[in-house]
Amino acid sequence: GAVVSQHPSRVICKSGTSVKIECRSLDFQATTMFWYRQFPKKSLMLMATSNEGSKATYEQGVEKDKFLINHASLTLSTLTVTSAHPEDSSFYICSARGRRDYEQYFGPGTRLTVT
Amino acid sequence: AQTVTQSQPEMSVQEAETVTLSCTYDTSESDYYLFWYKQPPSRQMILVIRQEAYKQQNATENRFSVNFQKAAKSFSLKISDSQLGDAAMYFCAYRRPEGGGSEKLVFGKGTKLTVNP
Repeated sequence: GAVVSQHPSRVICKSGTSVKIECRSLDFQATTMFWYRQFPKKSLMLMATSNEGSKATYEQGVEKDKFLINHASLTLSTLTVTSAHPEDSSFYICSARGRRDYEQYFGPGTRLTVT
Repeated sequence: AQTVTQSQPEMSVQEAETVTLSCTYDTSESDYYLFWYKQPPSRQMILVIRQEAYKQQNATENRFSVNFQKAAKSFSLKISDSQLGDAAMYFCAYRRPEGGGSEKLVFGKGTKLTVNP
């Protein structure tokens, strides 16, 4: 089946710094990638949808200047949390969808801790 | 906007027994997709089963089956012969059909399933 990886799996950063999370589709071309945030014991909350080569579409209430998303190639999307604060600490999950497939394939997630 | 409701925050089942997880949804669309995802402690989301709304036949994947009631907007998951490895959070999700940037999934709040040996 389709495999999606995320890097890093865990990251700790200091308040005020920026951190980048990568999402890669390893064996298929992902025309669309999604970024989710998940708080402990909660459901997944969609942050944004990105299509290769175009600007991401952010969900209501998500700060696009704080959560920068780039989908520069058909196999890579990045989420950069800028000027991170402790309240940004969370579990971030990406998913990817191929050209001819309506399923989303999820990455293993990245745990971000901002100290 | 579409909404997905899982009314059971937690469920438990004895190993080898059967358990049913409930899910209801609200939509004005006639065509859509429904999914059940499993999230074990590793946090990796795993697709368990999917159902296309235009198909009347309930989807089945080995020990997992659904009871899809379109008129009632209900989509329950039945796990037969429960195994310890089935213990996880289960999320019900809805997706509109193709086109118009509608690929996003709408998730329920999840049901935590415990399997007792």
